[in-house]
Amino acid sequence: GESVGLHLPTLSVQEGDNSIINCAYSNSASDYFIWYKQESGKGPQFIIDIRSNMDKRQGQRVTVLLNKTVKHLSLQIAATQPGDSAVYFCAEKGAAGNKLTFGGGTRVLVKP
Amino acid sequence: DAGITQSPRHKVTETGTPVTLRCHQTENHRYMYWYRQDPGHGLRLIHYSYGVKDTDKGEVSDGYSVSRSKTEDFLLTLESATSSQTSVYFCAISADTEAFFGQGTRLTVV
Repeated sequence: GESVGLHLPTLSVQEGDNSIINCAYSNSASDYFIWYKQESGKGPQFIIDIRSNMDKRQGQRVTVLLNKTVKHLSLQIAATQPGDSAVYFCAEKGAAGNKLTFGGGTRVLVKP
Repeated sequence: DAGITQSPRHKVTETGTPVTLRCHQTENHRYMYWYRQDPGHGLRLIHYSYGVKDTDKGEVSDGYSVSRSKTEDFLLTLESATSSQTSVYFCAISADTEAFFGQGTRLTVV
């Protein structure tokens, strides 16, 4: 089937290395941010989230950093594995109406 | 997958015909969303709902309408399908924080 990641920026990373995926968001009023992972042929899956009153949050092998000053979000994946190969999206949610909008996405390719 | 069912999963339709996609949830979540996903564009919000009969437009709402007559169902209608609406459509649900996605509907307009 057609890949939705054909025209996305791609990050190639060696297995075992750390990955950093960046995202610029647009709405300074957004108060909640989410990172999603999407594998081919599937819907996006939740990875980790962060509220605007925080600047860092850690999960299992993942860390999200939020810089509200420059409206920038990043996802760090430690010890990247072949199963991490996917397209990653950031999403932002505003306080009014829970409208959830997505950034453009980054394809991560893990080399063995 | 978080109690979300999209139907149909695949559909081919002719230009000019109306098409309705259904999203059904069993989680009793307040918020529901419809997105389309095209190569190079990521996920774009079409419409969303913040309660029964409460809906609002997203960034690409032209040519689409929605209805939510009960909590569990959110319908997306293409009033007169065009080839530019060929896409993969995703429904999502949310209680307040993260949203959970369905498996998607691949729609082809010929």
